Amino acid sequence: DAGITQSPRHKVTETGTPVTLRCHQTENHRYMYWYRQDPGHGLRLIHYSYGVKDTDKGEVSDGYSVSRSKTEDFLLTLESATSSQTSVYFCAIRQGENEQFFGPGTRLTVL
Amino acid sequence: QKEVEQDPGPLSVPEGAIVSLNCTYSNSAFQYFMWYRQYSRKGPELLMYTYSSGNKEDGRFTAQVDKSSKYISLFIRDSQPSDSATYLCAMRNNFGNEKLTFGTGTRLTIIP
Repeated sequence: DAGITQSPRHKVTETGTPVTLRCHQTENHRYMYWYRQDPGHGLRLIHYSYGVKDTDKGEVSDGYSVSRSKTEDFLLTLESATSSQTSVYFCAIRQGENEQFFGPGTRLTVL
Repeated sequence: QKEVEQDPGPLSVPEGAIVSLNCTYSNSAFQYFMWYRQYSRKGPELLMYTYSSGNKEDGRFTAQVDKSSKYISLFIRDSQPSDSATYLCAMRNNFGNEKLTFGTGTRLTIIP
């Protein structure tokens, strides 16, 4: 499982509330990613990080921000959650040139 | 039109059969190709990774890439009920772009 944990694993929240999801890795990988997975869309990249305090946008970054203050932790924040952000969120790390390994996921429901 | 197309299935085959899963793509810049397996309510698990064209074999799994046709395949030999899962193809280009483009997945069931 590449030493990746995500928390919380499930969350139900209300529209307009802030939400922070955490990804934690134990193997000192430089690259970390946040994806969302939705039916009919597959996995889509939200943001990624290539080092402490180094982050960049993916293809669906609107409404999301990220932070990485330590190598092992990559946080995804929804500043004001909307129903369209109901999804399953996966964190991933990169090992080698291209191989990405995924965490167990966080199931988020925004009511 | 999506950059990567994958038949969602569902695909049901009897145990022991050879399974063929496929993706087509439109972006000729894609150079790296991956197959992931995802069990229900779990994270994707990397199965196979290939660079450019050709075949790669790992146990019962064979990945094929045909760049001239923009077509990739995953073959599963001697399929087992434990192979029942959703299979995702993914690919990326060679330009320092971190984005992996995924297919939507094919749901496979192996019938005992």
